[in-house]
Amino acid sequence: DTAVSQTPKYLVTQMGNDKSIKCEQNLGHDTMYWYKQDSKKFLKIMFSYNNKELIINETVPNRFSPKSPDKAHLNLHINSLELGDSAVYFCASSQVGTGTEAFFGQGTRLTVV
Amino acid sequence: SQQGEEDPQALSIQEGENATMNCSYKTSINNLQWYRQNSGRGLVHLILIRSNEREKHSGRLRVTLDTSKKSSSLLITASRAADTASYFCVAGSGGGADGLTFGKGTHLIIQP
Repeated sequence: DTAVSQTPKYLVTQMGNDKSIKCEQNLGHDTMYWYKQDSKKFLKIMFSYNNKELIINETVPNRFSPKSPDKAHLNLHINSLELGDSAVYFCASSQVGTGTEAFFGQGTRLTVV
Repeated sequence: SQQGEEDPQALSIQEGENATMNCSYKTSINNLQWYRQNSGRGLVHLILIRSNEREKHSGRLRVTLDTSKKSSSLLITASRAADTASYFCVAGSGGGADGLTFGKGTHLIIQP
């Protein structure tokens, strides 16, 4: 069983569209995250979310919004896509407070044309 | 967590040789983690060392931590082609939900 799974793996879409990337974890973790890795391979945190709080990286445009229907899912919605949104997006999860590892999904390569 | 700074940025060695990469950080930590990212894949956790530990082993990996110098090293012994990847260190304060802060990593290439 895949611990953290995200879909789709590849997403090609036109500027201005709205799209979603789904993420699910079966590890029972209480916190999930979204990261963005740009063309220079620099990986940055976008959001972290557990049932108590949402922490947003202030550099993330408000066109991006996380939605969590339940503890095991954290989906990423992106409105009005721009060329600069092209990147690989990674979902991850961890159990906060234990100082232990984060588990990452395989990534979604988003290409905006 | 805080960003670690990995050094060197890139390293190329022959298969079978040992690879050493270093990490420096700025403020006090509770733990330090190393992650690996193979090309086009997600990150995989390799090892976590706590601030009260000086050395830790996992298979062919050896991690050291020197809190007085605010630095860590990752040694991969008897390297294999499959070790070709980017390696990242993350210095953690522990307990927070604010996610991991990654540096640029060390890109390791193992030549056959």
